[in-house]
Amino acid sequence: GAVVSQHPSWVICKSGTSVKIECRSLDFQATTMFWYRQFPKQSLMLMATSNEGSKATYEQGVEKDKFLINHASLTLSTLTVTSAHPEDSSFYICSARGDNNQPQHFGDGTRLSIL
Amino acid sequence: AQSVAQPEDQVNVAEGNPLTVKCTYSVSGNPYLFWYVQYPNRGLQFLLKYITGDNLVKGSYGFEAEFNKSQTSFHLKKPSALVSDSALYFCAVRDSPRDDKIIFGKGTRLHILP
Repeated sequence: GAVVSQHPSWVICKSGTSVKIECRSLDFQATTMFWYRQFPKQSLMLMATSNEGSKATYEQGVEKDKFLINHASLTLSTLTVTSAHPEDSSFYICSARGDNNQPQHFGDGTRLSIL
Repeated sequence: AQSVAQPEDQVNVAEGNPLTVKCTYSVSGNPYLFWYVQYPNRGLQFLLKYITGDNLVKGSYGFEAEFNKSQTSFHLKKPSALVSDSALYFCAVRDSPRDDKIIFGKGTRLHILP
């Protein structure tokens, strides 16, 4: 149980393109979903937390107009990187959690490369 | 604010030997503690958690962790290492049940030598 699917796993696109990443909880209802960014050989950096039906809460320094997060249902959250540039290239990972006492379960990540 | 430290960037262990990956934490309330493992180009896999109860927590793939309140530690252990255990291990802490965020350590790369 507790499977989180993240899609796509790899995307390469031109500078200026917008890219949408999907995160789905397959066998549980995710009250809260999280989006992280991971730089090479570093830990995960939390970008934002989203609760179903509410606006996402962004961490300090994360541009909400750049990284649009939608959590429209209890099983789906999306992250859209708008007008992506090479500095946005990174490994993006989502996680989902059911109730408060449960651990976060992670997707397999999306490697984004902006040319 | 909560924080978590993994003092070792890398740990090398011979296959079949016991392994320990260290983690210490700092929180203002009661800690929720987690261990995750990450394989190359993959997300994180949940190994185990401590919220309350027995100080020795058993998790996936034969891993266990011991919660030590006086030393504010939550070290990950396994009695007999496998080559397939080689991966990046993250300790994480959450400050209270109402705090959504968890803070990750910087990670420890575990190399199991055949």
